Amino acid sequence: DIQMTQSPSFLSASVGDRVTINCKASQNINKYLDWYQQKHGEAPKLLIYNTNNLQTGIPSRFSGSGSGTDYTLTISSLQPEDVATYFCLQHSSRLTFGSGTKLEIK
Amino acid sequence: EVQLVESGGGLVQPGRSLKLSCVASGFTFSNYGMNWIRQAPGKGLEWVAYISSGSSYIYYAETVKGRFTISRDNAKNTLYLQMTSLRSEDTALYYCARRGYGLDYWGQGVMVTVSS
Repeated sequence: DIQMTQSPSFLSASVGDRVTINCKASQNINKYLDWYQQKHGEAPKLLIYNTNNLQTGIPSRFSGSGSGTDYTLTISSLQPEDVATYFCLQHSSRLTFGSGTKLEIK
Repeated sequence: EVQLVESGGGLVQPGRSLKLSCVASGFTFSNYGMNWIRQAPGKGLEWVAYISSGSSYIYYAETVKGRFTISRDNAKNTLYLQMTSLRSEDTALYYCARRGYGLDYWGQGVMVTVSS
């Protein structure tokens, strides 16, 4: 099975900061990597699919990049409404979620 | 509007069974693969099972293989998860999610608590 290592587990940043979250796969996942946002008490929401495709309705400050085993979610200018936990998901072989990154405003 | 509504959760004793349902609306259900994903209280997300649009392909996480069965009825726009031999570690909020480009729509989840 493919394992996903997500970092950091916790992130505190200021409004307007550039924020990056990383996921590393245990093997090449050929860009089959999505990013999800989960706010407290809500279902997860798709932000980016297949590494760098922005889901409809998601603000352009969110972007994704990567290849092979290493992938990154970037928020270009952090907003208060971005407080949430973020998860990566590989779907190259079965599905495996990363362990999550809890993002807070400093 | 796409909607996924789960039901069938509750409190169940270890070793017993429970069947979850997910009713879909607002899209052509028979065109999409579907997943069950769970989240234990205060924990991360765990994929549980996947079924293709026509039920030809079915996959399970190792943690539930042999105990859980995913199925669907395209005529009723409904996805199911039959859970048997339940354990305390199966306690979680269970979500159904559509597989489009990404898991693009999720239900609100149904809680399953396994406890004596």
